Amino acid sequence: QQQVKQSPQSLIVQKGGISIINCAYENTAFDYFPWYQQFPGKGPALLIAIRPDVSEKKEGRFTISFNKSAKQFSLHIMDSQPGDSATYFCASRFGNEKLTFGTGTRLTIIP
Amino acid sequence: DSGVTQTPKHLITATGQRVTLRCSPRSGDLSVYWYQQSLDQGLQFLIQYYNGEERAKGNILERFSAQQFPDLHSELNLSSLELGDSALYFCASSPRDRSSYEQYFGPGTRLTVT
Repeated sequence: QQQVKQSPQSLIVQKGGISIINCAYENTAFDYFPWYQQFPGKGPALLIAIRPDVSEKKEGRFTISFNKSAKQFSLHIMDSQPGDSATYFCASRFGNEKLTFGTGTRLTIIP
Repeated sequence: DSGVTQTPKHLITATGQRVTLRCSPRSGDLSVYWYQQSLDQGLQFLIQYYNGEERAKGNILERFSAQQFPDLHSELNLSSLELGDSALYFCASSPRDRSSYEQYFGPGTRLTVT
């Protein structure tokens, strides 16, 4: 089974700091790498996504860095805020097929 | 709000019973995906339907089945329920265009088997 390995499992960051979550994938055919944000009691919501033809994508305070040769990608949250406290899932997919999710990172932003 | 609706929100039932979870995709979306989220397993893909046809199967038990109807809503049927089936069940939908990649998740159904 194709896996996506996500780390760390949990992360505590001070308000205003940078939160970094990492993922590694196995299947070189994957061509879509989204990050989802999930608040307690809610469904995952698409946060930001990248395709392998670019090495970085930025949307506001959220940036995905992508390293195709290393088969790794990461989410950076700049100026982290308490409202960013949630569980973050990376995922990978080929075409319009199923998403393969990482195991999730519980992010807590402390004042 | 993703535009994907799921009912019921919560479901409590006993072992051995059968339940049906319902999902209505976003307007215009042809693909529906079902996922199971439990504390120790994360988000696990169960099954995908595209325009009424089964497209892909994941870690779906034989006791579980799904279908997508002509109006594109989908139902996930869980039978002979066991305690271990307690989980959050999400459906997601994808846009009509197959070159699009986004999946939009519903709010989920929390199933508790006692």
